[in-house]
Amino acid sequence: EDQVTQSPEALRLQEGESSSLNCSYTVSGLRGLFWYRQDPGKGPEFLFTLYSAGEEKEKERLKATLTKKESFLHITAPKPEDSATYLCAVFNSNYQLIWGAGTKLIIKP
Amino acid sequence: EAQVTQNPRYLITVTGKKLTVTCSQNMNHEYMSWYRQDPGLGLRQIYYSMNVEVTDKGDVPEGYKVSRKEKRNFPLILESPSPNQTSLYFCASSFERGYEQYFGPGTRLTVT
Repeated sequence: EDQVTQSPEALRLQEGESSSLNCSYTVSGLRGLFWYRQDPGKGPEFLFTLYSAGEEKEKERLKATLTKKESFLHITAPKPEDSATYLCAVFNSNYQLIWGAGTKLIIKP
Repeated sequence: EAQVTQNPRYLITVTGKKLTVTCSQNMNHEYMSWYRQDPGLGLRQIYYSMNVEVTDKGDVPEGYKVSRKEKRNFPLILESPSPNQTSLYFCASSFERGYEQYFGPGTRLTVT
């Protein structure tokens, strides 16, 4: 069965303390991997799409990378406004979108 | 402004009273979808639509209905709501299935 696992479930960092969020997946063929950001009580907001191993994408303090088994969302020198839940989703060869449970990131000033 | 709108944003109702949550997008997207989000369970797809008059079940379709008579609108219908349908609901749209999705602001439904 295809599945997507995100770790850790929650992460507390000090402002400026860089770290990474993990999204590991076992799916029947990868058509694309998505990262979204979700603020409390709001809809997820699209961040990145990655299609093949070795691909990287950046946006401000965020950088997403992809290997054949996992993706990392690196956050460099985070600010309190980066606090949110980050969701990972994988689009597989059966045209299904499999969502991870998310990582709740808290950045303390 | 490109957006997905949902109404109502908050709804408290009683068991068995039919309700409809509207969803509309202004991006001319082909694909639309409904999700529910519950603590600890993440996002689960209820129904999706590939285009006008084309709808299909997602992972948790029981107790829900949808229709897609116009490209921009994709209402979610609960004909006889039950307390286990208390949840946060999101509508989303994308250019096609498999592309990045744009989500609405959410509808928080409570069924007593």
